[in-house]
Amino acid sequence: ETGVTQSPTHLIKTRGQQVTLRCSSQSGHNTVSWYQQALGQGPQFIFQYYREEENGRGNFPPRFSGLQFPNYSSELNVNALELDDSALYLCASSFSATSEYNEQFFGPGTRLTVL
Amino acid sequence: DAKTTQPNSMESNEEEPVHLPCNHSTISGTDYIHWYRQLPSQGPEYVIHGLTSNVNNRMASLAIAEDRKSSTLILHRATLRDAAVYYCILKGSSNTGKLIFGQGTTLQVKP
Repeated sequence: ETGVTQSPTHLIKTRGQQVTLRCSSQSGHNTVSWYQQALGQGPQFIFQYYREEENGRGNFPPRFSGLQFPNYSSELNVNALELDDSALYLCASSFSATSEYNEQFFGPGTRLTVL
Repeated sequence: DAKTTQPNSMESNEEEPVHLPCNHSTISGTDYIHWYRQLPSQGPEYVIHGLTSNVNNRMASLAIAEDRKSSTLILHRATLRDAAVYYCILKGSSNTGKLIFGQGTTLQVKP
């Protein structure tokens, strides 16, 4: 069974650029959530996708957008990058979107640096 | 969203038990208590969860207070590999499955 994978591992961009991060969910999972983790902080929920539809969003501006594909893999897009977007971006997949007891399986993350 | 409170850091000696506390005084009746941990340079990983009764799995035990306002994650014999940030998270049916992470407890394990 393949776990959650993310690409790229590291990325360096300049302010104002756009970036796309990718996530392949664990086999059999139909839900993907994205989190942003600044240095020394806990992860912050960005949004969740369930069966290709956005299913909840955290306190992030519209320049953070996403997609989920029929195979349940997902992309996170960030436009007009700002210095504060520098962080570890984590993807997590799960069997169900709303279950209270469902565990989420996290990938290793993409480290984004904005200069 | 109900909030949790954890100590910023704890220390333990290798092969000794570790008790990581979490306070969640505003927990609702349908909130599950989840624990995740994040090893250095990795994404978080699920440890255990429970609702009312104490729970055991291969990684840890979860002791839940009778009034559910606090819980304790128990690592029975800490190893160096258990050094991580431990997050206590409340997960209810109203939050679309998102995990709300706090600062967590940084556990150091000394050889």
